[in-house]
Amino acid sequence: GAGVSQSPRYKVAKRGQDVALRCDPISGHVSLFWYQQALGQGPEFLTYFQNEAQLDKSGLPSDRFFAERPEGSVSTLKIQRTQQEDSAVYLCASSPLTGPSYNEQFFGPGTRLTVL
Amino acid sequence: KNEVEQSPQNLTAQEGEFITINCSYSVGISALHWLQQHPGGGIVSLFMLSSGKKKHGRLIATINIQEKHSSLHITASHPRDSAVYICAVVIKAAGNKLTFGGGTRVLVKP
Repeated sequence: GAGVSQSPRYKVAKRGQDVALRCDPISGHVSLFWYQQALGQGPEFLTYFQNEAQLDKSGLPSDRFFAERPEGSVSTLKIQRTQQEDSAVYLCASSPLTGPSYNEQFFGPGTRLTVL
Repeated sequence: KNEVEQSPQNLTAQEGEFITINCSYSVGISALHWLQQHPGGGIVSLFMLSSGKKKHGRLIATINIQEKHSSLHITASHPRDSAVYICAVVIKAAGNKLTFGGGTRVLVKP
């Protein structure tokens, strides 16, 4: 596909469950971002990868949140022992490092996580 | 105080009206983005600005770096323009991550 894809699109978890959210960036995009968007609010930064290196994880809200991108393409955001306050849409975006779109971010459709 | 503030939070317009959404920021930036988000949909990039003005179809975006302010204008608004419009900035020396405003929910009635 041409765009950023995310799976699953919707996830319902019971409080205390672990979840894993997947992001497939645009092929060849070096930069990958994860954002969290609570209902009715703007997104907030979670973490950033350049290839497989996690260069910024300052936005991860707790040590229950973990992200990886082991081969520099697909990324997984894992949330352990989910809490109700984790309910949000998790957005992934990718960006090239060079070329005319180097500073533009291309967003996936998001994963809506509901923790009961 | 949020680093990026948008106004208004909500806006209702009649089809054909001119719409303006404002974005103010309090930090030094290297770029400002205007994004569109439809209900249940992902985010689409409309503009990326570092100075001046850009136009695409009925959309116009302006930025005043000295005043730390940007506006998004929609001319001849249409019901399909109904969406949430989000301003986001790239803060200087903070990498390429985006810092977002809270969004403006726009409803255009036929």
